[in-house]
Amino acid sequence: QQPVQSPQAVILREGEDAVINCSSSKALYSVHWYRQKHGEAPVFLMILLKGGEQKGHEKISASFNEKKQQSSLYLTASQLSYSGTYFCGTEFPSTGNQFYFGTGTSLTVIP
Amino acid sequence: AAGVIQSPRHLIKEKRETATLKCYPIPRHDTVYWYQQGPGQDPQFLISFYEKMQSDKGSIPDRFSAQQFSDYHSELNMSSLELGDSALYFCASSIGYGTEISGNTIYFGEGSWLTVV
Repeated sequence: QQPVQSPQAVILREGEDAVINCSSSKALYSVHWYRQKHGEAPVFLMILLKGGEQKGHEKISASFNEKKQQSSLYLTASQLSYSGTYFCGTEFPSTGNQFYFGTGTSLTVIP
Repeated sequence: AAGVIQSPRHLIKEKRETATLKCYPIPRHDTVYWYQQGPGQDPQFLISFYEKMQSDKGSIPDRFSAQQFSDYHSELNMSSLELGDSALYFCASSIGYGTEISGNTIYFGEGSWLTVV
């Protein structure tokens, strides 16, 4: 039930754009996006709650397609500081607190 | 602002020993999650608690147990440690239960590094 992310890894030059996708085989209530630097805790980026919702955070934005059970994270004009592993995360409709991370996407931005 | 506090930050244990990790959630957060992240792996959900009761179980080994106390802090107890238990253990907290957590950010502690030798 873990969401699957693609691509697994991507290398960008500063200023280039990237898209990270997150797909689930089960219905999603919401999608969270996190960025994690090596050895550090995941840092919250944004939550998308409704199908079709889009959000932006500086040059990082995301969309949520509830019907397709997918979310995409868009990074534009990437900066060196964007390097890290990006995880989507989601909760599944249930009676409990189940929050699962996606498989992760390693993003490396080079000068 | 107060964050999620985990202790100890680093721990070295021998095989077959026992280890206990502690987590202090953000004040007024009633939900605690535990994750295990092995080297190069994504965080794996272990267990969660809501209002001092276990609310969900993920891939937590039987050798591990956890509880949430009356002050909402949580402890993860790991017994008969194996080399494969070496990982970074994250605790996170949020507000709400089940679908109520939709829209509520989950905040992570800085993690506890466990090394089993």
